[in-house]
Amino acid sequence: DAGVTQSPTHLIKTRGQQVTLRCSPKSGHDTVSWYQQALGQGPQFIFQYYEEEERQRGNFPDRFSGHQFPNYSSELNVNALLLGDSALYLCASSWGSRGTYNEQFFGPGTRLTVL
Amino acid sequence: AQSVSQHNHHVILSEAASLELGCNYSYGGTVNLFWYVQYPGQHLQLLLKYFSGDPLVKGIKGFEAEFIKSKFSFNLRKPSVQWSDTAEYFCAVIPASGGSYIPTFGRGTSLIVHP
Repeated sequence: DAGVTQSPTHLIKTRGQQVTLRCSPKSGHDTVSWYQQALGQGPQFIFQYYEEEERQRGNFPDRFSGHQFPNYSSELNVNALLLGDSALYLCASSWGSRGTYNEQFFGPGTRLTVL
Repeated sequence: AQSVSQHNHHVILSEAASLELGCNYSYGGTVNLFWYVQYPGQHLQLLLKYFSGDPLVKGIKGFEAEFIKSKFSFNLRKPSVQWSDTAEYFCAVIPASGGSYIPTFGRGTSLIVHP
C-alpha cells in the first residue's frame, strides 16, 4: 500500500516564475491538504481539497492555488514566485470532509528553492 | 486566530531520562490537539491526539500527553527515552467549533537522545 507520494523531490526556480507541485494521496483517502514548512518552523496550512473543491484555506495569497482531480490526486500552483516562497511543501492526505480531524498521512515533501 | 507555542526548541537527553515537551495554545473555543513526530529521514507521522474525554492520552511508542484546559496546555511526556526517540516533535491545534478546522502547528522541538 503506497503512502502519500509527492513530485518532484527538489525544484529550483527563479523569482517571478510559476511552479506546480504534485501529490498522490494514500490509497483510500479522498482529502488532500497542503502545507508550507519554512526552515526551522512548523508546517503552515495552505489549503485543503475535498471532492475537487477547496474547502479550507489558510492565510496565503491568491498566488497559491490548487486543484484536485477525480482520482483524488492534487496539484499546488504558485505564481509569481518570491524568494520567501523557498520552503518544503508538504502534502497530507486523510479521509472525509473534515479531513484534518482525522489522522493525516504526510508525504516526503517537495523542496522548493527560489533564486 | 489560534497560535501554538512550543517552549523548548532543542532538547538533549541521555537514554533512560524522562521527557516532557511543552505545548501551549491560544484559542477561545474548544480545540482538538495533536502531537506529530518526524524521525530523521522519515515523514511526519501522528504520535497521539486528543478530542475529548480522558485528558490523559496515550500514543505510540510509550508517549503520552495531558490536556490541561485551564492552562491551555498539552504537554508530551515519556518516562524513559531511547536513542530511537531522536526526532523533531510538533504540537498542533485544530478548532473544534466555528466551522473552521484549519490546523496550526508549533515550530517544533528537536530532541536528541544520546546512547
